[in-house]
Amino acid sequence: QKEVEQNSGPLSVPEGAIASLNCTYSDRGSQSFFWYRQYSGKSPELIMSIYSNGDKEDGRFTAQLNKASQYVSLLIRDSQPSDSATYLCAVLNRDDKIIFGKGTRLHILP
Amino acid sequence: DTAVSQTPKYLVTQMGNDKSIKCEQNLGHDTMYWYKQDSKKFLKIMFSYNNKELIINETVPNRFSPKSPDKAHLNLHINSLELGDSAVYFCASSHRSPQAFFGQGTRLTVV
Repeated sequence: QKEVEQNSGPLSVPEGAIASLNCTYSDRGSQSFFWYRQYSGKSPELIMSIYSNGDKEDGRFTAQLNKASQYVSLLIRDSQPSDSATYLCAVLNRDDKIIFGKGTRLHILP
Repeated sequence: DTAVSQTPKYLVTQMGNDKSIKCEQNLGHDTMYWYKQDSKKFLKIMFSYNNKELIINETVPNRFSPKSPDKAHLNLHINSLELGDSAVYFCASSHRSPQAFFGQGTRLTVV
């Protein structure tokens, strides 16, 4: 089983709708979870971090964490064309290593 | 004021050559990383240094050798380059936190 799994997409979402991105992880001892956004040809940039179960909201972004089910998700409300990018889920595992998923390509349809 | 800067941004070289990529961060962070992102966009950690000390050394060929002359610099030297080394290499840094700040990447093409 891969350590951090994401659907590679592409995920196509109409402008103004909610984009939902999912990620599962294998190390139950993981404590820190991150979402990075990467535009084509650019470096990853951190957009959300979450450490405890539940929801964390920041503007149009909401991160959700469920440690029992070992999944973390990212919701983007009122999707904009500028949200089109690859979203990388990252997990800090019990060995203090940041493990990245392969990313989900998101395409917002104007 | 670039926080994490890498040079060069693009590197095209022939098989068998030796090349280096430099990285500098001006954030005062204590941990620096090298990541490799392949053509399928998979981002994988290669090395991690904390206060000039190697703390993570993933399974990479020993042709790859990181060097950290001080806390603000982490360079990557690659010997005997192979076609499969073609990728984007990202330097990153963090400070007492797993949140990493990435450099702009170095696109290495081995021909």
